[in-house]
Amino acid sequence: DQQVKQNSPSLSVQEGRISILNCDYTNSMFDYFLWYKKYPAEGPTFLISISSIKDKNEDGRFTVFLNKSAKHLSLHIVPSQPGDSAVYFCAASGTGTASKLTFGTGTRLQVTL
Amino acid sequence: DTGVSQDPRHKITKRGQNVTFRCDPISEHNRLYWYRQTLGQGPEFLTYFQNEAQLEKSRLLSDRFSAERPKGSFSTLEIQRTEQGDSAMYLCASSPPGGPGEKLFFGSGTQLSVL
Repeated sequence: DQQVKQNSPSLSVQEGRISILNCDYTNSMFDYFLWYKKYPAEGPTFLISISSIKDKNEDGRFTVFLNKSAKHLSLHIVPSQPGDSAVYFCAASGTGTASKLTFGTGTRLQVTL
Repeated sequence: DTGVSQDPRHKITKRGQNVTFRCDPISEHNRLYWYRQTLGQGPEFLTYFQNEAQLEKSRLLSDRFSAERPKGSFSTLEIQRTEQGDSAMYLCASSPPGGPGEKLFFGSGTQLSVL
C-alpha cells in the first residue's frame, strides 16, 4: 500500500531550465510534506517542506506547490544546476505521528550541461 | 555542528549471523528513528524513540530485530539470524523536540549485505 507515490523514476533536464518533480499521496490524514535530496552513499538531506494550510512555499531556487484537493504536490527547481543531480524523495507526515515520515520511491534527476 | 553518525558504514555477514549497528544522534535531539531502504525504494520506517522510550515499531520489524536507546543518547539496532532479505541500507535519523513534520536529520547509513 504505497501511500506516497512518485510515478516518474527519472527525469533529465538541461542546465538552466526548470525541473518539475511530482508526488501524489492517498492518505488524507497527511498534513505536512517534505522533499529530501539524496546523493549516492549519503543519507537523505532535507530540502524544503510545506504545511497543508499553505499551497506554496519557496526557498531560493526551490518551490513546492501543494494541491490538497488533488492530493498532489510538486517541487520546482529553477534554474536547474548540475549539482542538483540526485535522487529526490517526497515524504509526508500526519498529526500525531511524531514526525514519522512516509516516503515515496524517489525520482532520479539528472541535470545535463 | 556534528551530524548524525552511524557505524559501521558497511557490513558484510553470512546468513544466520547476528549484526549490530550503532547510531549517535545530534546531541540536543530527543527523537531518534530507524529506517530501512532497499534498492529502488524510499526509506521505510522501522521504529522510533523519544528519549529512551521506544514508542512505535513498524510491522516490518520482525522479532529478529531489536532496537535500544539506553539513557536516551545513542541507539543500537540488532538483527539476529540474518537473512538475505535483510540486505539493505539502514538509516538512522534524529529530530529535535517539536510537533509533527519536524524535519529529520539522517545519517549516512549502514549498508548491510547478507551472503
